[in-house]
Amino acid sequence: DGGITQSPKYLFRKEGQNVTLSCEQNLNHDAMYWYRQDPGQGLRLIYYSHIVNDFQKGDIAEGYSVSREKKESFPLTVTSAQKNPTAFYLCASRPGTGGRETQYFGPGTRLLVL
Amino acid sequence: QKEVEQDPGPLSVPEGAIVSLNCTYSNSAFQYFMWYRQYSRKGPELLMYTYSSGNKEDGRFTAQVDKSSKYISLFIRDSQPSDSATYLCAMTPRAQKLVFGQGTRLTINP
Repeated sequence: DGGITQSPKYLFRKEGQNVTLSCEQNLNHDAMYWYRQDPGQGLRLIYYSHIVNDFQKGDIAEGYSVSREKKESFPLTVTSAQKNPTAFYLCASRPGTGGRETQYFGPGTRLLVL
Repeated sequence: QKEVEQDPGPLSVPEGAIVSLNCTYSNSAFQYFMWYRQYSRKGPELLMYTYSSGNKEDGRFTAQVDKSSKYISLFIRDSQPSDSATYLCAMTPRAQKLVFGQGTRLTINP
């Protein structure tokens, strides 16, 4: 059953703590993306990666970090430098060169600050 | 000014009505246009995908792109309560990051 999985569904962060959100895809897609969604707002791009071992900052990268060591995995770390981390985080993937320009989304992780 | 403008609503219509959702954009380089549907606390799911100008129909859904006016629309015929969701438009020039609208929250009343 192909798709994108994100875990956990809910995540709680304490002050000064780094937390990591997991994103895995078995679609054999080349490109992967992380978005943040706040209530009543559209999606804002945090980081993206078009190929293994390479990633680029999006529009709101400050306070976040990523890695892309495997094609199927693109974890996002929310660091203590991110002062307002409460949001809904969405991971997406895209087939890559020659594929449609669409992105396919995972179910999301809701991050809350204790 | 945002690259993509979308009325956030909320929009509330009776069951069976025709729904019209719209986005305007400023970047004439956009060529690929998408509509996503997002249920509460879920990830967006792709609904319609259109390249360049024209119409595309899929069941009760029709997507229209008018590049001369920089305006895209999504029509829902015979709307159902299960269509209640937030609808996001998205677009891109090519092989670049998607630019999303704010999303329109739609409620279909039985």
